[in-house]
Amino acid sequence: EAGVTQFPSHSVIEKGQTVTLRCDPISGHDNLYWYRRVMGKEIKFLLHFVKESKQDESGMPNNRFLAERTGGTYSTLKVQPAELEDSGVYFCASSQGVLYNEQFFGPGTRLTVL
Amino acid sequence: ILNVEQSPQSLHVQEGDSTNFTCSFPSSNFYALHWYRWETAKSPEALFVMTLNGDEKKKGRISATLNTKEGYSYLYIKGSQPEDSATYLCAFNYNQGGKLIFGQGTELSVKP
Repeated sequence: EAGVTQFPSHSVIEKGQTVTLRCDPISGHDNLYWYRRVMGKEIKFLLHFVKESKQDESGMPNNRFLAERTGGTYSTLKVQPAELEDSGVYFCASSQGVLYNEQFFGPGTRLTVL
Repeated sequence: ILNVEQSPQSLHVQEGDSTNFTCSFPSSNFYALHWYRWETAKSPEALFVMTLNGDEKKKGRISATLNTKEGYSYLYIKGSQPEDSATYLCAFNYNQGGKLIFGQGTELSVKP
């Protein structure tokens, strides 16, 4: 069974540019999460989809971040325009259920904003 | 503010040593505690999901205990091997949603 995949693995962009990250969850997992780890800090929650609906977006930093999950399958996270402080590793995770369920993580996308 | 603390931040041990780390979390509104093992550039790998006070879980040489009343969990590695070198993360569920609150991790280095 394929795990959670993320694309690209690395992205280097200039401040002010736009970047779109993609996550393909494990097939059949209705729950999809985005997390971010900024250098030297803990992994922080961004948002949670149940199918195509945003269940919890309390961790989204500001309106430069837009997450979508059309059709309830893969998800994209767009940063527009990117700022220096957006640099970090963006993780996606998926799970079958929510409470007490293991979240399966992808390898992350390392974003560098110059 | 919900905070998860892990100690130590880093640990260097010799092959064969046994070691343990601590994860502290708020004891109120507890739902679940997750332990992950993470090697840089790879996917964090789930080790345990712990839900009940007094839970003890084991996977090979790695085990974990949970005390929800005092708000801590211990992760133990018996007879550390170089391949155990990684960052060990704990994460806390404080409500019925899926949001995990992570600690900063304990970075373990095992020398042959």
